[in-house]
Amino acid sequence: SQQGEEDPQALSIQEGENATMNCSYKTSINNLQWYRQNSGRGLVHLILIRSNEREKHSGRLRVTLDTSKKSSSLLITASRAADTASYFCATDEGAGGTSYGKLTFGQGTILTVHP
Amino acid sequence: EAGVTQSPTHLIKTRGQQATLRCSPISGHTSVYWYQQALGLGLQFLLWYDEGEERNRGNFPPRFSGRQFPNYSSELNVNALELEDSALYLCASSLGRLAKNIQYFGAGTRLSVL
Repeated sequence: SQQGEEDPQALSIQEGENATMNCSYKTSINNLQWYRQNSGRGLVHLILIRSNEREKHSGRLRVTLDTSKKSSSLLITASRAADTASYFCATDEGAGGTSYGKLTFGQGTILTVHP
Repeated sequence: EAGVTQSPTHLIKTRGQQATLRCSPISGHTSVYWYQQALGLGLQFLLWYDEGEERNRGNFPPRFSGRQFPNYSSELNVNALELEDSALYLCASSLGRLAKNIQYFGAGTRLSVL
């Protein structure tokens, strides 16, 4: 079963606009990660945020984490056509740094950026 | 530096046959993970190997098995294939067992069961 629920399921925007995707999860986590997948191929790691962090930036990406609400958001600023892909959040369940190795993925958000 | 490599890219089998999928981790990585991405079911965790041992297993039947070799590469075997095993199988690797280690994914093997 998928722990993460992502919202929206699909997002269509114009180049230059910002895109925001949300993710919710159910159990305690060590960290939460965001991945991108182009056309059903491999996943590309975007950013990892630890359970004791609230916000993290990487280039045009901004991730927030609210462990009290068990939710996270990914913001892509100034989007480009090349950002068109599916975006997944993934949680590493566990606590205290102990990992079970398993990432639990959300259903993903399909982002389409129109030139 | 080479990323995670998977072979073959595509695999076509018939019901009841066995499939073997291979994965080479990033150099220096000791942990290998397998995931299944089936249409409508999303990404599901299959197996985790580290230092040659199975560390965790997802909710899949025993006909899904694998192993990790001394050079840390890994095989996933699926016996008695069923139509619903058709999926993209993704392998990932990480530096080790710590929770802070990022999993890096390969391009996947697309298995089609006819």
